Amino acid sequence: DAKTTQPNSMESNEEEPVHLPCNHSTISGTDYIHWYRQLPSQGPEYVIHGLTSNVNNRMASLAIAEDRKSSTLILHRATLRDAAVYYCILRDVLLNFGNEKLTFGTGTRLTIIP
Amino acid sequence: SAVISQKPSRDICQRGTSLTIQCQVDSQVTMMFWYRQQPGQSLTLIATANQGSEATYESGFVIDKFPISRPNLTFSTLTVSNMSPEDSSIYLCSVEESRVVSPNTEAFFGQGTRLTVV
Repeated sequence: DAKTTQPNSMESNEEEPVHLPCNHSTISGTDYIHWYRQLPSQGPEYVIHGLTSNVNNRMASLAIAEDRKSSTLILHRATLRDAAVYYCILRDVLLNFGNEKLTFGTGTRLTIIP
Repeated sequence: SAVISQKPSRDICQRGTSLTIQCQVDSQVTMMFWYRQQPGQSLTLIATANQGSEATYESGFVIDKFPISRPNLTFSTLTVSNMSPEDSSIYLCSVEESRVVSPNTEAFFGQGTRLTVV
């Protein structure tokens, strides 16, 4: 499985934008970039995913580098509720039985400062 | 989206005993996954459970220690057998909406079961 590298932790002020980086230099052409986050005492939840183009949804934006070797999750206006561990995960679109699992790295622990 | 209910939410168990964790989904799903999250660590997949077939275990996890049942498309159980303090972790159930290849496939997770073995 292609691996991802994220900073262990980041801090951001409340109501300011947050840019969470992820490096995935060994990404393959069929890997989607998925982001999940885990709020304290909860299971992970899906945030966003993309393949090549930048993506936006109600939770966040995903900016993907042109060579796809890195991506950035953007929270446009962080709130205290966004404090969580954010996981960047590569997922092969050619899902085969036994290969659908999500492989979690260590993620980035985001702290929001009031 | 799928809503997952896990029971119990937490438990404190004596070493040498076993605990069965239940995972109930509000819709039929083909694939269910069980993860372990040790204190301060990331999630590690224990096994994949599909209805009608035996669970597939990841390296380092064995059926005798973590037997899994998947009697239907909405329910699964994970048993942690002969527990030791090293089994103290959060155990999470996860489902995928479909096995069909889709870029929109996302995983849903239960709230987890916090297990402490004393």
